[in-house]
Amino acid sequence: GIQVEQSPPDLILQEGANSTLRCNFSDSVNNLQWFHQNPWGQLINLFYIPSGTKQNGRLSATTVATERYSLLYISSSQTTDSGVYFCAGPANDYKLSFGAGTTVTVRA
Amino acid sequence: DAGVIQSPRHEVTEMGQEVTLRCKPISGHDYLFWYRQTMMRGLELLIYFNNNVPIDDSGMPEDRFSAKMPNASFSTLKIQPSEPRDSAVYFCASSDRTVNQPQHFGDGTRLSIL
Repeated sequence: GIQVEQSPPDLILQEGANSTLRCNFSDSVNNLQWFHQNPWGQLINLFYIPSGTKQNGRLSATTVATERYSLLYISSSQTTDSGVYFCAGPANDYKLSFGAGTTVTVRA
Repeated sequence: DAGVIQSPRHEVTEMGQEVTLRCKPISGHDYLFWYRQTMMRGLELLIYFNNNVPIDDSGMPEDRFSAKMPNASFSTLKIQPSEPRDSAVYFCASSDRTVNQPQHFGDGTRLSIL
């Protein structure tokens, strides 16, 4: 099945800073999803992004399927952005393969 | 929409007891997934249902685990008997049509087996 690698594993930001998280996958994918797990453990679907760029407030994501990577941008970070960010691609028709996650800590 | 609803949010019980976790998927979603999250193994897919039918339970760790979906709006994951190594956060997720649609997760059940 598809392998998903995320970088960096950890990120510490000062409030207001911008950052980029990266997800590489081992094979071509026809969809990619980004999730945020907040400090309370909730897993929120941020983006479903098979290709191109999407924006949601201060977050945006870009997937370049032909080059097998996706980027998540956080602009003007806030403490509420803290948590773990996962990307996931389809391992097969029904199973998602999750990366190990990037732990983001935003300091006030 | 109310989102995926799981109960209970927390469960603490003693080894050997039966544990039942519950999930209500988003209305109209055809697919329901049960995941387990641990520090060691990350997120693991245990089983998934399509139109209430279990399709793949290869991720279920042992015969002590069972899952049912008696109707489109309710599913259970049961562990009997429970063991300390079953301690984890269990998530239910649902999606419309296939994995090529966004999966939406419930808030999870944090299970502690003493």
